[in-house]
Amino acid sequence: EAQVTQNPRYLITVTGKKLTVTCSQNMNHEYMSWYRQDPGLGLRQIYYSMNVEVTDKGDVPEGYKVSRKEKRNFPLILESPSPNQTSLYFCASSGRDNEQFFGPGTRLTVL
Amino acid sequence: EDKVVQSPLSLVVHEGDTVTLNCSYEVTNFRSLLWYKQEKKAPTFLFMLTSSGIEKKSGRLSSILDKKELFSILNITATQTGDSAIYLCAVEAAVTSYGKLTFGQGTILTVHP
Repeated sequence: EAQVTQNPRYLITVTGKKLTVTCSQNMNHEYMSWYRQDPGLGLRQIYYSMNVEVTDKGDVPEGYKVSRKEKRNFPLILESPSPNQTSLYFCASSGRDNEQFFGPGTRLTVL
Repeated sequence: EDKVVQSPLSLVVHEGDTVTLNCSYEVTNFRSLLWYKQEKKAPTFLFMLTSSGIEKKSGRLSSILDKKELFSILNITATQTGDSAIYLCAVEAAVTSYGKLTFGQGTILTVHP
């Protein structure tokens, strides 16, 4: 089944403790992206990647890092999480037709 | 900075009503406009529009793009309770091979029986 998977689905952590949210897709898509969704603000793009080793900043990249060492994986790294990074995070991938497939979401709470 | 504004932010209707959701945008190097439906989980793709004036249709949903006036509408006819969701509009800017997506804040649609 074609899908985008994210782990963990839910995470509660404390300020400053490094964490990684994994994202994997099995559709051989070149384009992958991370978003955060906050009430009243819609989805905001954090980082995107057009292919292996090619990444670029979206609209809200501060406090986040990404890497794209393999085509299928695009982890999101929070080196020192802060409470304002409490949000719902989505990973997405798309092929050349640009229809984005979204993962199930990761709900992160930073205390 | 690219910008997408959706209106209304929230809409409550009764089953059978027709609704029109609006999306206006400002983007450099426009490539496409996309509509998504989000229920209690991840957004799911509805339409992608690239050409002005050509209606995309799927069942009771339809959408059209006006590239001159920089907006799109999403129409839902004969609404059902299952149409209750957040509807998201996104605009893709052409960067290199792929575009950067900017989303609007969404319209929350509630359909009462």
